[in-house]
Amino acid sequence: SAVISQKPSRDICQRGTSLTIQCQVDSQVTMMFWYRQQPGQSLTLIATANQGSEATYESGFVIDKFPISRPNLTFSTLTVSNMSPEDSSIYLCSVVLTGNTIYFGEGSWLTVV
Amino acid sequence: GESVGLHLPTLSVQEGDNSIINCAYSNSASDYFIWYKQESGKGPQFIIDIRSNMDKRQGQRVTVLLNKTVKHLSLQIAATQPGDSAVYFCAEVAVGTGRRALTFGSGTRLQVQP
Repeated sequence: SAVISQKPSRDICQRGTSLTIQCQVDSQVTMMFWYRQQPGQSLTLIATANQGSEATYESGFVIDKFPISRPNLTFSTLTVSNMSPEDSSIYLCSVVLTGNTIYFGEGSWLTVV
Repeated sequence: GESVGLHLPTLSVQEGDNSIINCAYSNSASDYFIWYKQESGKGPQFIIDIRSNMDKRQGQRVTVLLNKTVKHLSLQIAATQPGDSAVYFCAEVAVGTGRRALTFGSGTRLQVQP
């Protein structure tokens, strides 16, 4: 497996502000993803973070709201912009390792007030 | 920590019993399946995976069964322990299409009674 570190692990944010979440992996990985888990819900894919190019977003998610960076093969950031209480969720970084095994970080638990 | 899966279906078992958690998937192109365990306040933890060229795979105390005909996946946990209490998610992906992003099931909460 890999060590996947997310920061912050938890935060309380004011509505209208933006927060950037970091994901650091202890080894180079080809594919990284960002998921959202709303309270009481399953996980939903936000986007695929592409190294050196723009992220690929799923239906219902847009770059203006969730800008993503991936400057190298071990690091990515997700920004949640202009937050509202509906953005209160767990945001999870995921990576694909050798053999297609897919692992998750511990998540960033955001509460918007 | 905060809870996830507050409104999920719940399976309640006695400690020491075997647990079976079921999952239906919809994409016929899915060829790789994973079960995750999510404890309160934590991210999903990989349990076991199976590829579509198999119908059964065993791990330590866990077995995954795949029935492609009816698009059904199950996770069996032997001798369930209190530490197994968590929300369990199945996930699928069509690796053969080049995709690696997962589609998750809705989850099942497992409660182990001592």
